[in-house]
Amino acid sequence: DTEVTQTPKHLVMGMTNKKSLKCEQHMGHRAMYWYKQKAKKPPELMFVYSYEKLSINESVPSRFSPECPNSSLLNLHLHALQPEDSALYLCASSQVGQSRNEAFFGQGTRLTVV
Amino acid sequence: AQSVAQPEDQVNVAEGNPLTVKCTYSVSGNPYLFWYVQYPNRGLQFLLKYITGDNLVKGSYGFEAEFNKSQTSFHLKKPSALVSDSALYFCAVRAPDSGNTPLVFGKGTRLSVIA
Repeated sequence: DTEVTQTPKHLVMGMTNKKSLKCEQHMGHRAMYWYKQKAKKPPELMFVYSYEKLSINESVPSRFSPECPNSSLLNLHLHALQPEDSALYLCASSQVGQSRNEAFFGQGTRLTVV
Repeated sequence: AQSVAQPEDQVNVAEGNPLTVKCTYSVSGNPYLFWYVQYPNRGLQFLLKYITGDNLVKGSYGFEAEFNKSQTSFHLKKPSALVSDSALYFCAVRAPDSGNTPLVFGKGTRLSVIA
């Protein structure tokens, strides 16, 4: 199983809503990532978890709150987002400690903030 | 600091013709290099990687890439393009012995294969 599963695939939310994006993998990867991708641009790193602990936060606004409840799951909690936060949100995972290993990406959640 | 450059925003090629998508890199030491493909509204799919050894790397869907250390390049190639190859292609780099530091992506190249 080389899949990273993200839910939901699409999400429309108002600026006062609270919602969560979910990501799951069963490859035994202990590094998990959240990326934000705008149209026709490369993915921008948001957060990295290593062994379920936050290891990198790329100065992301506090309206995005990541959570890694166990080694297979990664959540991104959203609150009071702005329209400019509309984007494709990608989750990825990889083995820890081996820079030669590729990351596996989910299909993404297309988020629209209205 | 490590970086990759994809000099072409767009590459157009006729179906059946060979295709090349260019990538150059900058990293201290020997790099680990990756190619990913992204279809519309989808995540990134891993195509191939160069770690060490043979400079010609073969990957998924008939793609291959050639590592050239003197030119610091890692161009993606395919002998005969298909319309279904039309997508956004990203080159990425990671320095060796950098653990699970995130991949550094190029800006992407949009490939259009015309029937």
